[in-house]
Amino acid sequence: QLQLQESGPGLVKPSETLSITCTVSGGSISRTTFYWGWLRQPPGKELEWIASIYYSGSTYYKSSLRSRATISVDRSKNQFSLQLTSVTASDTAIYYCAKHRTESYRTPLDDWGQGILVTVSS
Amino acid sequence: QSALTQPPSASGSPGQSVTLSCTGTSSDVGGYNFVSWYQFHPGKAPKLIIYEVSKRPSGVPDRFSASKSGNTASLTVSGLQAEDEGNYFCSSYAGGSDFGVFGGGTKLTVL
Repeated sequence: QLQLQESGPGLVKPSETLSITCTVSGGSISRTTFYWGWLRQPPGKELEWIASIYYSGSTYYKSSLRSRATISVDRSKNQFSLQLTSVTASDTAIYYCAKHRTESYRTPLDDWGQGILVTVSS
Repeated sequence: QSALTQPPSASGSPGQSVTLSCTGTSSDVGGYNFVSWYQFHPGKAPKLIIYEVSKRPSGVPDRFSASKSGNTASLTVSGLQAEDEGNYFCSSYAGGSDFGVFGGGTKLTVL
């Protein structure tokens, strides 16, 4: 069974870059035809999809975050990552990595990590 | 794209049934049969329990059922158990190139 685990700093300063990684175990990103994604939930707000990536590197981004977000995959480490530049307090959230059900990034997410709280504060 | 509307809380006693609602618009819930429901427990990985309005992934008990009418989707949990307590989020495709939208979640309490 697939397991996903987020990692990264829990505190990021305003205007800096948030970088978090999702390590996948129990299966290979390279040998599975799924999209992998990042989502977040700010305190008291709804979940928000950020971006998704295919093992080949094909990417899709939420339109409002496209200018600041970069999703990437490292097949050798069985990981995928998210970078979010120029962060502000509004980027404070629990960030989740997850796997889409199929080879489309528009399909539901059927395996999730437990989430990592990232706080943006000086 | 606006968030979907879910009541903030719901409750029921063990063995009872409870129905959670998720209201959107004709641009999301009403326009596509791509509504999903997720179960969140604190400290645990979220779980997909319903996709494509009423389909259950393998391993999800048939106590969980769902449907859609117009712009409102519903999730029914029958035979409530203590382990069903948690937060439930709905999601819907909303057209365009984005993944979709989520609701604000309903906290289900088993009394």
